[in-house]
Amino acid sequence: AQRVTQPEKLLSVFKGAPVELKCNYSYSGSPELFWYVQYSRQRLQLLLRHISRESIKGFTADLNKGETSFHLKKPFAQEEDSAMYYCALRPSGNTPLVFGKGTRLSVIA
Amino acid sequence: GAGVSQSPSNKVTEKGKDVELRCDPISGHTALYWYRQSLGQGLEFLIYFQGNSAPDKSGLPSDRFSAERTGGSVSTLTIQRTQQEDSAVYLCASSYGPLAGQETQYFGPGTRLLVL
Repeated sequence: AQRVTQPEKLLSVFKGAPVELKCNYSYSGSPELFWYVQYSRQRLQLLLRHISRESIKGFTADLNKGETSFHLKKPFAQEEDSAMYYCALRPSGNTPLVFGKGTRLSVIA
Repeated sequence: GAGVSQSPSNKVTEKGKDVELRCDPISGHTALYWYRQSLGQGLEFLIYFQGNSAPDKSGLPSDRFSAERTGGSVSTLTIQRTQQEDSAVYLCASSYGPLAGQETQYFGPGTRLLVL
């Protein structure tokens, strides 16, 4: 069965410090991985996807198939990064996304 | 254009009552998803529609939960005989389709359900 694990429920970092939100997945095939973000009082929205290999708001994530991980990283955290972050997996085929339980990031001034 | 809309935004009900939650997806989106978001549980998948059919109902927590979609557009999630543990935010999302390249999900604002 497919599974996405985000081991940290809450992560607190100081402004300007590096941040890494961990995501591990279990899936036997070649998945597509995503990060979704929910800022306070806003809708859940797509942040980035591994296929695009893009950097959004300074965040990057690299798919490591050997470690089955897709950690989200940013070198210098900003207060506006405080939000709930969800890692998601799309198994190959006609199936919906599988989400992790989420990590709440709190950036302290 | 308009995003995904949900109604009501808030619902308070008494234990044992039935509730209906509505989702209006983005026009042209064929796939529609229902999730439940509760403290400590993260985002829990409930059901997924492709058109009017539901190929995946695996996340519905009990037979008190049902959902339908008509005209390939609006969807209604019904909870019968509500229980206090049903209290949560119910999120709806839609995507252009389920296939690769179409699967980015756009979320609605959610319906916050409180069962007293």
